[in-house]
Amino acid sequence: DIQMTQSPSSLSASVGDRVTITCRASQSISSYLNWYQQKPGKAPKLLIYAASSLQSGVPSRFSGSGSGTDFTLTISSLQPEDFATYYCQQSYSAFGPGTKVDIK
Amino acid sequence: EVQLVESGGGLVKPGGSLRLSCAASGFTFSSYSMNWVRQAPGKGLEWVSSISSSSSYIYYADSVKGRFTISRDNAKNSLYLQMNSLRAEDTAVYYCAREDSDTAMGAFDYWGQGTLVTVSS
Repeated sequence: DIQMTQSPSSLSASVGDRVTITCRASQSISSYLNWYQQKPGKAPKLLIYAASSLQSGVPSRFSGSGSGTDFTLTISSLQPEDFATYYCQQSYSAFGPGTKVDIK
Repeated sequence: EVQLVESGGGLVKPGGSLRLSCAASGFTFSSYSMNWVRQAPGKGLEWVSSISSSSSYIYYADSVKGRFTISRDNAKNSLYLQMNSLRAEDTAVYYCAREDSDTAMGAFDYWGQGTLVTVSS
């Protein structure tokens, strides 16, 4: 089975900061990588699919890149509503362990 | 508007059984693969099972294989998860999620609000 890892596991940032989260697959998954945002007590929300495609309705400050085994989610200017946990997912199945973004 | 509403969660003893349901509306249910994803208290997301639109393809995580059964009724726009031989480690919020078929990239574009399953004596 393919294992997904994320780094860091948590980070503290300020409003307006540029934030980067990394996801790594244990073997190549081409561009079959998605990113989700989850806030406490809520269901996850799809942000990015196919590694770099922005889901409809998601603000353009979110972007994704990468292919093969290494992927990145970038928030260009962190907003108050972006404090949440972010998960990568190998398409159709396994999720990474998550990265919690909180207020510095 | 796409809606997914889970039900059937509750408290069950170890070794017991429970059947979860997910009622879908606002889209052509029979055209989409569906999934169950769970989240233990304070933990991350864990994919549990998937079923294709016509039930031809079914997959399970190793952690539930042989104990859980996914099914669907396209006439009733409903997804199910039959959970048997439940263990304490199955305690979690269970979400149903739609698989985006438009892009065919295996992303889960709509999620229900979740239903809590607690396995405890």
